[in-house]
Amino acid sequence: DAGITQSPRHKVTETGTPVTLRCHQTENHRYMYWYRQDPGHGLRLIHYSYGVKDTDKGEVSDGYSVSRSKTEDFLLTLESATSSQTSVYFCAISERAGGNNEQFFGPGTRLTVL
Amino acid sequence: AQSVTQPDIHITVSEGASLELRCNYSYGATPYLFWYVQSPGQGLQLLLKYFSGDTLVQGIKGFEAEFKRSQSSFNLRKPSVHWSDAAEYFCAVVISSGTYKYIFGTGTRLKVLA
Repeated sequence: DAGITQSPRHKVTETGTPVTLRCHQTENHRYMYWYRQDPGHGLRLIHYSYGVKDTDKGEVSDGYSVSRSKTEDFLLTLESATSSQTSVYFCAISERAGGNNEQFFGPGTRLTVL
Repeated sequence: AQSVTQPDIHITVSEGASLELRCNYSYGATPYLFWYVQSPGQGLQLLLKYFSGDTLVQGIKGFEAEFKRSQSSFNLRKPSVHWSDAAEYFCAVVISSGTYKYIFGTGTRLKVLA
């Protein structure tokens, strides 16, 4: 299994509070991704990173920010959590960006915003 | 717009029966095609992938998938289902639009009856 960990694995928070989720990899892969998974929507890309300090938006980036200060860590921040951000969040990594490159997924973080 | 459709939200089969999960995509060219499996509480694991060549591809755990260009389909099959196959299955395509973009289907949840 690819060495990807996510922390925390579960979190309950209140509307309006900031939340940071962490993804840590030991594979030295260049590309890292944050997805959210919701019933009826599959996985949707929030943000991705193509190198240290290089990030870009995905299709559902509003309300989220990311940072990547070193290769192994990719942080997802909800500046002011809302109930619509209740979801399961997955981090993924890939070695290269080409279409034939598999993404490896972390175990997920279940976030509940009350 | 590019999209991936998995028309069956839930499928129930008896152990030992054959299985086919459907996946259709909408894209002007041949995309890169993937099937992932997600066990409860886990991240996604790659089952198989298709890039080019033989349109019947073999994957892990006894799964196979067939790419049919004329039908824009990439259906997943298994001749004899095991109870451990109960999980959620996601079809994904990767398209090139400036960057490489993963698009996931909404998933099919498989239940296996003993």
